[in-house]
Amino acid sequence: KAGVTQTPRYLIKTRGQQVTLSCSPISGHRSVSWYQQTPGQGLQFLFEYFSETQRNKGNFPGRFSGRQFSNSRSEMNVSTLELGDSALYLCASSPSTRAEETQYFGPGTRLLVL
Amino acid sequence: SQQGEEDPQALSIQEGENATMNCSYKTSINNLQWYRQNSGRGLVHLILIRSNEREKHSGRLRVTLDTSKKSSSLLITASRAADTASYFCAASSGSARQLTFGSGTQLTVLP
Repeated sequence: KAGVTQTPRYLIKTRGQQVTLSCSPISGHRSVSWYQQTPGQGLQFLFEYFSETQRNKGNFPGRFSGRQFSNSRSEMNVSTLELGDSALYLCASSPSTRAEETQYFGPGTRLLVL
Repeated sequence: SQQGEEDPQALSIQEGENATMNCSYKTSINNLQWYRQNSGRGLVHLILIRSNEREKHSGRLRVTLDTSKKSSSLLITASRAADTASYFCAASSGSARQLTFGSGTQLTVLP
């Protein structure tokens, strides 16, 4: 099976712009979670989607949003970009929402905000 | 906030030696997972240990879990240069599935 794929892999934006990142889960996986990784804050949970519904949201401002499509692909959007949004954005997929399931991560999208 | 804190922050060893990394967490967990990350790339899942398990093995990896001390350790035996990476523990707690990651240990294995 192909792993989790994320596009684009690298992105450069300027402050105030918006950005959309895409994540395709492993085939058959219906749960997708997003994480932000920065040198200062480490890895932080953004949100989780299952069956096109957001199940859980981390402590991020409303500028961060996401959605999931019927084929389980997910997108996250960041509006009004700030310098501090520069980070590696990782998505992870798992078959369902059971707590004991392993979450498989993609290679990430590295976002640089200038 | 980070649930898991890891130590050491950095570890440098010679090829063939064993590497031990420790993780502490704050609240009750469903399970604890260990991941590896090479140079800011994606996370590779290594092993998951459930809260009712005390020890688990996978190849050269051995993970222990002490829920009374809220701590876990990852042992990599007979390390190789290819093991050079950052290692993170991640705790899953309560009904939420979000993983709360530790700060990571940067392991360098010298040839």
